Amino acid sequence: NAGVTQTPKFQVLKTGQSMTLQCAQDMNHNSMYWYRQDPGMGLRLIYYSASEGTTDKGEVPNGYNVSRLNKREFSLRLESAAPSQTSVYFCASRDGLMNTEAFFGQGTRLTVV
Amino acid sequence: AQRVTQPEKLLSVFKGAPVELKCNYSYSGSPELFWYVQYSRQRLQLLLRHISRESIKGFTADLNKGETSFHLKKPFAQEEDSAMYYCALSPNTDKLIFGTGTRLQVFP
Repeated sequence: NAGVTQTPKFQVLKTGQSMTLQCAQDMNHNSMYWYRQDPGMGLRLIYYSASEGTTDKGEVPNGYNVSRLNKREFSLRLESAAPSQTSVYFCASRDGLMNTEAFFGQGTRLTVV
Repeated sequence: AQRVTQPEKLLSVFKGAPVELKCNYSYSGSPELFWYVQYSRQRLQLLLRHISRESIKGFTADLNKGETSFHLKKPFAQEEDSAMYYCALSPNTDKLIFGTGTRLQVFP
């Protein structure tokens, strides 16, 4: 009964380092999302994927890349981390039908120093 | 452009008082609208969706297409309602965008 699982939960990076945030869902959902949550800014969509092999840019895609290698997994990569990318990152998934509920992971707290 | 606006960052009320969290959206088509809630140390979760016209935990939300609003209301706030509330818009079956959120504080 895992739902949406994100790893890691916490990470500290130095400016310029790279890392990949992992997300996996076990609900056979078609759509997956990556958001960042910042105080006063709410949840901003970084990238989303409607199905395996497809990805689309959201509101704030600069500085990020994503991969949807299979239906279960959707990863977010920071190639060269910047302090402005310090945030809490959330992965979500939902079925690709009208008015369906999105399920969220527990979040990854990333600090770039 | 598709956008969700929540004008209040913080809403503070006393227990038993009515609550209204405002949400306005910009979208030219027929929107799918939702309210999500994040309680302290918990995952973001769905509270209600406009298509269901349901009442969850005493909360209701009515879609007003003329005013492009989807305000969340509860007649009598409870302390356990204290949380972060997000309004969300889905312009199609793939995309899901959120507003900036409103933190509701309910004092005893």
